Amino acid sequence: DADVTQTPRNRITKTGKRIMLECSQTKGHDRMYWYRQDPGLGLRLIYYSFDVKDINKGEISDGYSVSRQAQAKFSLSLESAIPNQTALYFCATSDFTSGNEQFFGPGTRLTVL
Amino acid sequence: GENVEQHPSTLSVQEGDSAVIKCTYSDSASNYFPWYKQELGKRPQLIIDIRSNVGEKKDQRIAVTLNKTAKHFSLHITETQPEDSAVYFCAARGYYGGSQGNLIFGKGTKLSVKP
Repeated sequence: DADVTQTPRNRITKTGKRIMLECSQTKGHDRMYWYRQDPGLGLRLIYYSFDVKDINKGEISDGYSVSRQAQAKFSLSLESAIPNQTALYFCATSDFTSGNEQFFGPGTRLTVL
Repeated sequence: GENVEQHPSTLSVQEGDSAVIKCTYSDSASNYFPWYKQELGKRPQLIIDIRSNVGEKKDQRIAVTLNKTAKHFSLHITETQPEDSAVYFCAARGYYGGSQGNLIFGKGTKLSVKP
C-alpha cells in the first residue's frame, strides 16, 4: 500500500545536538513538505520541495535545514537542537495527480531537553 | 501572506447534534480550501475540500460552505457521532507574500461528541 513513512517515530535529545528526521514515500509524488505541530498552533510549514532540485523555505525555517536525496526521500535536520524545537513533526506529500490533497506521514515526536 | 483564523478552538456537542466550525482567510486570491481531521495520536487526513468556484459541497454527514465575498468558509457536521471526536483543521492555499501557493492552516478545533 503506497504510503508516507517517517523515522524515528519518537526521539529524545539534548540541547545542542544535531538531529535528522527522515521521510520516505512510495506514492510517487513530486512534492514533499515538512510541518511542525504545536498544541494550539496548528500545522506550520518549515520547508517544501517540488522536485529533487527544488528546495524552498516555509513559514518557520530558522534553525532547520533539509535535504531531498531522491524523489522519495526528504530529510529534516536540526543543526543545534534547542528546547523550543520540542514538537510533533509531520512530513507530507502531494502532486498534480493527487489534486491538492496532501498525504501526511505518521509524525515524529521530538523532545529536546 | 495568507492568514487563516479558525473558531472555536474547542467545541463540545451531544451525540446527534450538529457541529459547525468557521474559518476566515485574508488572501483574496486563495482558491482551494481543505479540511483535515486528526484523531488522537494519528496523522491529519483530508475529509472534504472546496474550490473557489463552488459555494457548497456535501459528502454524507459533512458539508463545507464558502463565501468568497466575506472570505470565510465553514465545516458542518450533522448527526454527530462519538467517532467524529477529533481535531479539525481548515486550510487555505495562499498566493501572495510568502505563501507561494502552499497551504496555510488554521490553529485547529478540538471537537468532542458526548454519547
